[in-house]
Amino acid sequence: AQSVTQLGSHVSVSEGALVLLRCNYSSSVPPYLFWYVQYPNQGLQLLLKYTSAATLVKGINGFEAEFKKSETSFHLTKPSAHMSDAAEYFCAHREAGGFKTIFGAGTRLFVKA
Amino acid sequence: DVKVTQSSRYLVKRTGEKVFLECVQDMDHENMFWYRQDPGLGLRLIYFSYDVKMKEKGDIPEGYSVSREKKERFSLILESASTNQTSMYLCASRSPSGEQETQYFGPGTRLLVL
Repeated sequence: AQSVTQLGSHVSVSEGALVLLRCNYSSSVPPYLFWYVQYPNQGLQLLLKYTSAATLVKGINGFEAEFKKSETSFHLTKPSAHMSDAAEYFCAHREAGGFKTIFGAGTRLFVKA
Repeated sequence: DVKVTQSSRYLVKRTGEKVFLECVQDMDHENMFWYRQDPGLGLRLIYFSYDVKMKEKGDIPEGYSVSREKKERFSLILESASTNQTSMYLCASRSPSGEQETQYFGPGTRLLVL
């Protein structure tokens, strides 16, 4: 069955430090994978996506993610955190040919000055 | 610029009331979705629609119904609101599958059922 697991409901980093948000998926067919960001009192906004092209995907605001099929992972990284990155991040998965997108439970990122 | 709008940002209703949540998109997308968002549970799909008058149940359809009479509008209906339906409701529309696929979300409606 299709599923998405985000490790860590809360992650705290210092400003300027590496951001690493973890996502693992389960699927029996090739996946489409997404990261979304949600700022307070707003809807979700697409950060980046993997749709079977390059395995290293670059997104907005300096974020990137790497699709690793052998590890069924799609971790999100950013080399240097900024205060404005504080938000909730959702990993999502859709099976190629499928209709539904499954979302992880979310990871709230805190950035300390 | 792409836009998905939802009729209300905040709603307070009483148990047993019928509640309508409206969503409009201006991108001519065929696919539209209703999710509810609860802390620690992420987004859960209530219903989706892939064309006018077409609808499919998502993972948690109980207590909800939907209507899609026009391509741009997708309505979520709570037939008889209950306190366990207090939540954030997010509408989304999705561009066609492929390299450019993206879901566009509305700002959400925070519903409180008393």
